[in-house]
Amino acid sequence: AQTIHQWPVAEIKAVGSPLSLGCTIKGKSSPNLYWYWQATGGTLQQLFYSITVGQVESVVQLNLSASRPKDDQFILSTEKLLLSHSGFYLCAWSPDLWGAEQYFGPGTRLTVL
Amino acid sequence: GEQVEQLPSILRVQEGSSASINCSYEDSASNYFPWYKQEPGENPKLIIDIRSNMERKQIQELIVLLDKKAKRFSLHITDTQPGDSAMYFCAVITGNTGKLIFGLGTTLQVQP
Repeated sequence: AQTIHQWPVAEIKAVGSPLSLGCTIKGKSSPNLYWYWQATGGTLQQLFYSITVGQVESVVQLNLSASRPKDDQFILSTEKLLLSHSGFYLCAWSPDLWGAEQYFGPGTRLTVL
Repeated sequence: GEQVEQLPSILRVQEGSSASINCSYEDSASNYFPWYKQEPGENPKLIIDIRSNMERKQIQELIVLLDKKAKRFSLHITDTQPGDSAMYFCAVITGNTGKLIFGLGTTLQVQP
């Protein structure tokens, strides 16, 4: 069975500080991977997707970047946090070539002060 | 870009009754329509989906209907229970890169 992990579980960071969030999936080779952001009480917005190691496509510009250094790892980062970055960050994976059936990780709750 | 309208935003029903959530989309090329359930503080969980080659799909008490001509799809929960209380999101896949566009969500409250 596939398992998806995200770290850290939660972060409290200062405006202007750097950030790195991680996502790892086990039990599935070459999955499609996605990063989503969800404001408190809001809907989900896809940020990045990756279909293979070293390849990442940006969906929206939020002063964030993503990388896929390994087949099973997806990293979300920024050098300078904004207040608007607060929210729930979710990594998702799909076994489907076209991205159907996306399954979400447990998420990281980020508070920027 | 593609937008997904979801209604109602809040739905209150009595335990044992049915609940219906409706979504509409714009891109006629959309071909995959999942529904997610999200409980407070948790991640969204895929509960049922339908592809464009189907008009109806049922998993236990969950029924999804798709009307491609009208560009609408809906989730029906029969015999609702308190455990069904949660936020529900519809979504649409656009293009071939797995870009999921989500509706704004429906808060379902099942009252005993």
